[in-house]
Amino acid sequence: DIQMTQSPSSVSASVGDRVTITCRASQDISSWLAWYQQKPGKAPKLLIYVASSLQSGVPSRFSGSGSGTDFTLTINSLQPEDFATYYCQQANSFPRTFGLGTKVEIK
Amino acid sequence: QVQLQESGPGLVKPSETLSLTCTVSGGSISNYYWSWIRQPAGKGLEWIGRIYASGGTNYNPSLKSRVTMSVDTSENQFSLKLSSVTAADTAVYYCARDGRGATSDYWGQGTLVTVSS
Repeated sequence: DIQMTQSPSSVSASVGDRVTITCRASQDISSWLAWYQQKPGKAPKLLIYVASSLQSGVPSRFSGSGSGTDFTLTINSLQPEDFATYYCQQANSFPRTFGLGTKVEIK
Repeated sequence: QVQLQESGPGLVKPSETLSLTCTVSGGSISNYYWSWIRQPAGKGLEWIGRIYASGGTNYNPSLKSRVTMSVDTSENQFSLKLSSVTAADTAVYYCARDGRGATSDYWGQGTLVTVSS
């Protein structure tokens, strides 16, 4: 299985801050990476697919980059509704695997 | 707007079979892959497997011996069966659609399944 390592596991930030989350795959996954946002008691929501494509309806302050094994999710100008847990997922091979998540908390 | 809704028993006894159904509305089940993903309380996401509308499947090897997925295109539903459950199978179970980039673009709200006697 491909291991997905996210860092940091949590980050404290203020409204208006820029937040960067990284995800490293244990082997080359090309651009087959997605990012999801999950709020407590809710299903995950797709933000980014194929590493850098913004899902329809997702604000442009979210962006993704990377290829191969190293990927980044950036949230520009953090908004109150962005406080949540973020997961990366590889879609290169089976089984699909997720990172352990990064919790974005209010500073 | 595509919507997914999980249904099934919220309590299953150890060693029995967990059975869930996902009903798709607002779109056809045809021409897509449909996935099951679970999340134990306070933990991360685990991909269980997926099924194509024609019935082809991919399962997580860690669960493969216990998992069966099926699809009913006439009812726009797909289902999950997980046999010989233990407390470790207690989780919120989500169904989802595989869209662009082979990632899950539409999700159900999730259903909590507790394994307990």
